[in-house]
Amino acid sequence: EAGVAQSPRYKIIEKRQSVAFWCNPISGHATLYWYQQILGQGPKLLIQFQNNGVVDDSQLPKDRFSAERLKGVDSTLKIQPAKLEDSAVYLCASSLMPDANYGYTFGSGTRLTVV
Amino acid sequence: RKEVEQDPGPFNVPEGATVAFNCTYSNSASQSFFWYRQDCRKEPKLLMSVYSSGNEDGRFTAQLNRASQYISLLIRDSKLSDSATYLCVVNSPEGGDYKLSFGAGTTVTVRA
Repeated sequence: EAGVAQSPRYKIIEKRQSVAFWCNPISGHATLYWYQQILGQGPKLLIQFQNNGVVDDSQLPKDRFSAERLKGVDSTLKIQPAKLEDSAVYLCASSLMPDANYGYTFGSGTRLTVV
Repeated sequence: RKEVEQDPGPFNVPEGATVAFNCTYSNSASQSFFWYRQDCRKEPKLLMSVYSSGNEDGRFTAQLNRASQYISLLIRDSKLSDSATYLCVVNSPEGGDYKLSFGAGTTVTVRA
């Protein structure tokens, strides 16, 4: 079974620039999550999709972050404009069921450095 | 109070030793529990689910104590390859949905 695919693996940008990350979940997984993991911390949920609808975006800084999953499969996460404190690993995960009782699978992440 | 709290460690143990650590959670309505393993600069990977009756997977044993709201992970006969950060993950109902909350992780280093 193919895993969760993410790109790019690494990105370095200057503050105030914009950046976009892409995620392709495991085939058939209806639920998709974007997490932010700052060094030394656990992953923090940014947004959860169920198919192409948003289930939870309460911790997404909506003034600068946006995400979409137009066809209920791939998703993109955008930051515009980036700040220094956005430097983190952005992890995409997917699960078959929205209740996550079986855990879920993460992609390898995109490591963002804002300078 | 954080939803999920873990002792960050590090736990430095020799090969063959037993190491154990706990994680506490704040939401008494939490439904399911997991341990994830995260290697340096890698994504978290599911290690094992934690069941009410406790469960084993080879050298790994997980326990759940609902009364005291903690889960534990014990690693027997530690191997060098067990060196990693172990993330405690709790699934809780929130607003008609479910939410996974992650601890900051416990770092284990197994030395030769």
